[in-house]
Amino acid sequence: ETGVTQTPRHLVMGMTNKKSLKCEQHLGHNAMYWYKQSAKKPLELMFVYNFKEQTENNSVPSRFSPECPNSSHLFLHLHTLQPEDSALYLCASSLGTGREQYFGPGTRLTVT
Amino acid sequence: RKEVEQDPGPFNVPEGATVAFNCTYSNSASQSFFWYRQDCRKEPKLLMSVYSSGNEDGRFTAQLNRASQYISLLIRDSKLSDSATYLCVVNGRRGSARQLTFGSGTQLTVLP
Repeated sequence: ETGVTQTPRHLVMGMTNKKSLKCEQHLGHNAMYWYKQSAKKPLELMFVYNFKEQTENNSVPSRFSPECPNSSHLFLHLHTLQPEDSALYLCASSLGTGREQYFGPGTRLTVT
Repeated sequence: RKEVEQDPGPFNVPEGATVAFNCTYSNSASQSFFWYRQDCRKEPKLLMSVYSSGNEDGRFTAQLNRASQYISLLIRDSKLSDSATYLCVVNGRRGSARQLTFGSGTQLTVLP
């Protein structure tokens, strides 16, 4: 399935590194999302973009910085992360913000 | 009260059994409802939408009770491959936009 792709699939980074996660959707959707899922925990919504505009930031620390250059691409820029930021980061897209979402395979991030 | 509440389980059932999950939601203005499944260490995938009149997809039946604000998922003739976490998802209004809210999930293990 290639509807929503994410790269990289796995990432190990030190606390002083800067890295970016990339998400691309090929479904013609207008809304894109970043979620965090820690081990055995529920999904936590981080950011919502609708038609490239950020419509929701769920009190996410500033060490996570999203970017949405167009409706098909979404980035999550990471810097000076903490070990507790280690998690699965999932991107999703939907036709509209209230519609069913389709997820990418996720990036499994480990902060050392 | 959480917007979407599910029994976390785990539900351990033998192959061939029938199992049902319930989910309650707090926002009476919610309009759309879905069930997703999430396999271990994978992304959530849309299983089925839930319609007011109830709907069936093979061995899976979804029901909606608007008066009591709950949704159910019935799985008949359970297969080993049904082992997963099942997420109840509800569309509600947050601020000016409609948004999906994911439940914490119910874990199902089908035993041989």
